[in-house]
Amino acid sequence: SQQGEEDPQALSIQEGENATMNCSYKTSINNLQWYRQNSGRGLVHLILIRSNEREKHSGRLRVTLDTSKKSSSLLITASRAADTASYFCATDKSNYQLIWGAGTKLIIKP
Amino acid sequence: ETGVTQSPTHLIKTRGQQVTLRCSSQSGHNTVSWYQQALGQGPQFIFQYYREEENGRGNFPPRFSGLQFPNYSSELNVNALELDDSALYLCASSFRDRTYNEQFFGPGTRLTVL
Repeated sequence: SQQGEEDPQALSIQEGENATMNCSYKTSINNLQWYRQNSGRGLVHLILIRSNEREKHSGRLRVTLDTSKKSSSLLITASRAADTASYFCATDKSNYQLIWGAGTKLIIKP
Repeated sequence: ETGVTQSPTHLIKTRGQQVTLRCSSQSGHNTVSWYQQALGQGPQFIFQYYREEENGRGNFPPRFSGLQFPNYSSELNVNALELDDSALYLCASSFRDRTYNEQFFGPGTRLTVL
């Protein structure tokens, strides 16, 4: 079963704009991670935020976590064509097993 | 570039057959997890192996089984294949003794069951 739900399911924006994706989850977590997947292939780890953190940055990525609302957001600033991919959130309940959402498909138009 | 490799890349089987998928973990990692990803969906956790023992299992029937070898490579075996088993199968390796669980994924094996 899916733990997380990403919103929106799909997002299409112009190159250079910012992209925001949201993730909601159901149970308490140890940490939340965001991954990117290109063309249905392997997933690439982007960023991890622990349950006691509220915001984290990595390059053009900004992740927030609100444990009271059981939600997280991923912001990609100054989007590029190469950012076109599916983005997934995954939650870790401290048993080393990741539970995944259904993903947001991001399309960056040149 | 993660160092996790999977074989084969693509596989076509017929219903009722058996299949073995292979994964070579990243050097230094002691944990491997297997996921099934249907088209347009997120990965579904199948099971995880830590130091050659199963360490947690998702909602998959017993015909899904696995092995982890002393060199931390791994196999996923699926018996009595069904049409719904058609999916991308991903393995991910990690180093469990860290305080977080960043997983490194292979490129996946796309299984088609006819």
